[in-house]
Order: sequence, then structure tokens, then C-alpha cells
Amino acid sequence: AQKVTQAQTEISVVEKEDVTLDCVYETRDTTYYLFWYKQPPSGELVFLIRRNSFDEQNEISGRYSWNFQKSTSSFNFTITASQVVDSAVYFCALSGMDSNYQLIWGAGTKLIIKP
Amino acid sequence: DSGVTQTPKHLITATGQRVTLRCSPRSGDLSVYWYQQSLDQGLQFLIQYYNGEERAKGNILERFSAQQFPDLHSELNLSSLELGDSALYFCASSGQNPEETQYFGPGTRLLVL
Repeated sequence: AQKVTQAQTEISVVEKEDVTLDCVYETRDTTYYLFWYKQPPSGELVFLIRRNSFDEQNEISGRYSWNFQKSTSSFNFTITASQVVDSAVYFCALSGMDSNYQLIWGAGTKLIIKP
Repeated sequence: DSGVTQTPKHLITATGQRVTLRCSPRSGDLSVYWYQQSLDQGLQFLIQYYNGEERAKGNILERFSAQQFPDLHSELNLSSLELGDSALYFCASSGQNPEETQYFGPGTRLLVL
């Protein structure tokens, strides 16, 4: 069965600090997809990134970067020089044939950036 | 802006009532998904439609039903509402292939009093 674990329930840092959100997954699929979504206090779910299991290259988008490591079944998300606007709940999700491509969600990590 | 629209944004109703939530997918997307997000349950997948046909069912109660119309918009009907149905209801859409990214609408916040 597929599973996504976000062990950090809540993280609080001061603005400009770097912060890493952990995501560990379990799957029997050889082809699968990993996602990160952001849910700011306003409530909407914003897509951040999609990665397939064959692409282990790290991705950087501005202050955001993602580290995909198949060997440890992890897909961690780092925010560099955090800003107050980064405060949100961040969800990691997994999909694959084993789940009929339905998204399997982690519980989310609430990130608080203090000014 | 994801391109997925949902109406209404907020809904307040009483127990026992019935409500309809509406979703329009992104242009070109054929799949529509419904999710419920409550404080104690997290994000729960309810149901998926693809080009008008039901494709997958999740933890959807029998009091809830959905459909996707020929113009691809979808409606989620919630009936005999209970206090515990108070939640944020999301619609998402994606393209033809099942592994494609789901893009979410802004959600409908339902409060049952």
C-alpha cells in the first residue's frame, strides 16, 4: 500500500532562516509521482511541483528547492531565506498505479514564519 | 489562479438541509475530483469523474452524490446535512492521463448549524 509521512506537524522559524520540510513515502510501484502543494491561511490549495520516479534531479525554483532521493524514499522541500508569506500548510502527495493514480496525502506540515 | 472555479465560496445552512456545490474545471481538462477537508480528517478524496463518467470513488457518504455534465462542469450534492459535514470542499481538475497534476479550485467552505 502507498503511504506518505510528513513527520513534522508544525515548524516555526524566524524570517530569513532556511527551512526544510520532510516527506517520506512508501510505494510498491516502480513508476510513481510525487507532489507538493501549499495551503496558505486563505485556504486554497496551490500546486508547487510534480516529480516522476525516473527523474531524481533536484529542482530549484527561486527560493524553493526539492531534493528527491529514491534510496531513502524521500522528497524534501527547502525554502531558502524564508519570508512571512511562506507561512502555510504544506502537503506532500504521492500517486501511482497502486492507488489507481489517486493522490495519497501526507498529513501536512504547518510552517510559521515569524517576522 | 489555477483556472478551476468553485461556487459558492461560503455556505451556511442548517442540519437536515441539502446543498449543491458547483465546479468548473480548467479549460481542456476532462477529469474532475472532489475532496473534503475537515479539521479532524485531513484531505479526503470523495469521487472522480472523467468526461461525464464516474471513474473512482473514495470515502463518499451515501448522502452525497455528484455528477459531471456534458460541458464538463461538476456538481456535488450534499443532503440530510449533519454538523459533521462542516468542512472545506475542494474540486480539482486534471487532463486526460491519470498521472497528470490535479489543479485545485479555491474551495467551498460549508458550515452546518
